[in-house]
Amino acid sequence: DTGVSQNPRHKITKRGQNVTFRCDPISEHNRLYWYRQTLGQGPEFLTYFQNEAQLEKSRLLSDRFSAERPKGSFSTLEIQRTEQGDSAMYLCASSLSTGREKLFFGSGTQLSVL
Amino acid sequence: DAKTTQPPSMDCAEGRAANLPCNHSTISGNEYVYWYRQIHSQGPQYIIHGLKNNETNEMASLIITEDRKSSTLILPHATLRDTAVYYCIVLSYGQNFVFGPGTRLSVLP
Repeated sequence: DTGVSQNPRHKITKRGQNVTFRCDPISEHNRLYWYRQTLGQGPEFLTYFQNEAQLEKSRLLSDRFSAERPKGSFSTLEIQRTEQGDSAMYLCASSLSTGREKLFFGSGTQLSVL
Repeated sequence: DAKTTQPPSMDCAEGRAANLPCNHSTISGNEYVYWYRQIHSQGPQYIIHGLKNNETNEMASLIITEDRKSSTLILPHATLRDTAVYYCIVLSYGQNFVFGPGTRLSVLP
């Protein structure tokens, strides 16, 4: 069981820079999710994919955020022109697509925007 | 918005049972109750889920009231490694998990 892998674990960037995070899901899982978590709060849903198709995006997701999942395997989350308010833990999760399957989360990428 | 209400924090003595309550008074008939926990610096981890019957696995027991308006997660013999934030989530078919702030459980030696 290789689990969900996220890279990098930590990212420090200056305001205005672009950043990209990567998520490798559990190999047989066809659903992949991105969540964001700030201190003291639960994870907040951003978007999810079924295979390579992005099926839902949160209304809270700024146009500066874009996610891809080419070939339905790994996924990338890019944030353009970062702002200090983007500082958070970005979590990736994967699951099977039966509708009630449990999510398996990675350890996240901690982003700090200076 | 989260459909559940949980106390913000709880303490439990090591070796004793930890009973974590969750209110979900607006739950619908086809919605499941899920519990996850998040240990510091890690992603959330699935614990257990149920519809209306009580459930038990190697990690915990889930007790759901007959009217399904509340539930309790029971860790039978809490250890220091059980210190974490515990999330109770009500999930409809096809919907995404919505996490509230959860309950911060501190297991004390």
